[in-house]
Amino acid sequence: AQTVTQSQPEMSVQEAETVTLSCTYDTSENNYYLFWYKQPPSRQMILVIRQEAYKQQNATENRFSVNFQKAAKSFSLKISDSQLGDTAMYFCAFMTARYGSRLTFGEGTQLTVNP
Amino acid sequence: DVKVTQSSRYLVKRTGEKVFLECVQDMDHENMFWYRQDPGLGLRLIYFSYDVKMKEKGDIPEGYSVSREKKERFSLILESASTNQTSMYLCASRTNRVSYNEQFFGPGTRLTVL
Repeated sequence: AQTVTQSQPEMSVQEAETVTLSCTYDTSENNYYLFWYKQPPSRQMILVIRQEAYKQQNATENRFSVNFQKAAKSFSLKISDSQLGDTAMYFCAFMTARYGSRLTFGEGTQLTVNP
Repeated sequence: DVKVTQSSRYLVKRTGEKVFLECVQDMDHENMFWYRQDPGLGLRLIYFSYDVKMKEKGDIPEGYSVSREKKERFSLILESASTNQTSMYLCASRTNRVSYNEQFFGPGTRLTVL
């Protein structure tokens, strides 16, 4: 069974600064996908970024980037130039590449961006 | 845009009541999911369905059942609501295409059982 661990229940950052959220996972699979989802106070879950395990290059989406360390089973999210609208709960999630696979989520990290 | 809708944003029920949570998606997705979200526990999968009339138990199916009579609709049923089922419930859907595997979520239903 796969597990996902987020060891930082809460984090805060000043506006315009950079913050890194940590995520580790455990799996015996070789082909899989990793995700970061964001849940703002509106409660709507939004996909932030996705990483395919077979790709060595770290995924980047505008101010969001990941540091994917496959051997260490680590998948951290870096948010650059933090904005007030980045305040949200962030969930790390894992899914195998098999047909019919399901997402396994971490516990979540509440990020607060302060003005 | 993909849209996943849930029948209620907030719901208050009494212990022992039968509760129906409805979820509808408009993108012809094969897979649909029901999660429960509790502080410090993340999202836990209750049930999922990969086709009409098909269902699979997730990690915490006890006390819940589901129904999927049409492809676009996936219902979560609490046969006899209990206070420990007070929680946020999230529905999601996803296509079968592995290469395009984003899961789309509804806005959530906050259920309170008194």
